[in-house]
Amino acid sequence: KQEVTQIPAALSVPEGENLVLNCSFTDSAIYNLQWFRQDPGKGLTSLLLIQSSQREQTSGRLNASLDKSSGRSTLYIAASQPGDSATYLCADHTGNQFYFGTGTSLTVIP
Amino acid sequence: DAGITQSPRHKVTETGTPVTLRCHQTENHRYMYWYRQDPGHGLRLIHYSYGVKDTDKGEVSDGYSVSRSKTEDFLLTLESATSSQTSVYFCAISAGNEQFFGPGTRLTVL
Repeated sequence: KQEVTQIPAALSVPEGENLVLNCSFTDSAIYNLQWFRQDPGKGLTSLLLIQSSQREQTSGRLNASLDKSSGRSTLYIAASQPGDSATYLCADHTGNQFYFGTGTSLTVIP
Repeated sequence: DAGITQSPRHKVTETGTPVTLRCHQTENHRYMYWYRQDPGHGLRLIHYSYGVKDTDKGEVSDGYSVSRSKTEDFLLTLESATSSQTSVYFCAISAGNEQFFGPGTRLTVL
């Protein structure tokens, strides 16, 4: 069974700082890895999808990388803003299922 | 927005009663999923469907059943609700290996 881990569970940074969120997975035979954002009491919003053949994807201030051999993905957020405060989840697609980490709760302090 | 709606959005019920949650999509996606989200556990897959009348179990399927008689609707039924099934339930679709989520249903079993 695929295990997905996100460290740290919570992170607090001052506005403007660059930061990295980590996601690790145990089975490298993944189809792709997806990063989501979840605001309190809301559903999940897809941020980035990295196919297994890709090394990274970028969208605005977000950059996600994937290293299948080491079982790791990172989400880099540049110049953080208070509006970035949310929980960030990663999920890998293995077989017919998606496996989620428990998320990193990010607080950006103005 | 992948055109996913869930109903009801909130429900309070009593132990032992049957409950059905509905997920509706407007874009004819083949794959649909039901997850539950609980503190400390992240999102866990309950059941998924890969076509009309084609369903399979996920990680936490005990106590739940599903049905998909039309492409656009995926129903989750709790035959006899228990307090341990108090949770937030999310429906998702898969489009091109990327997942998109509905707004969620908050279910409380008293």
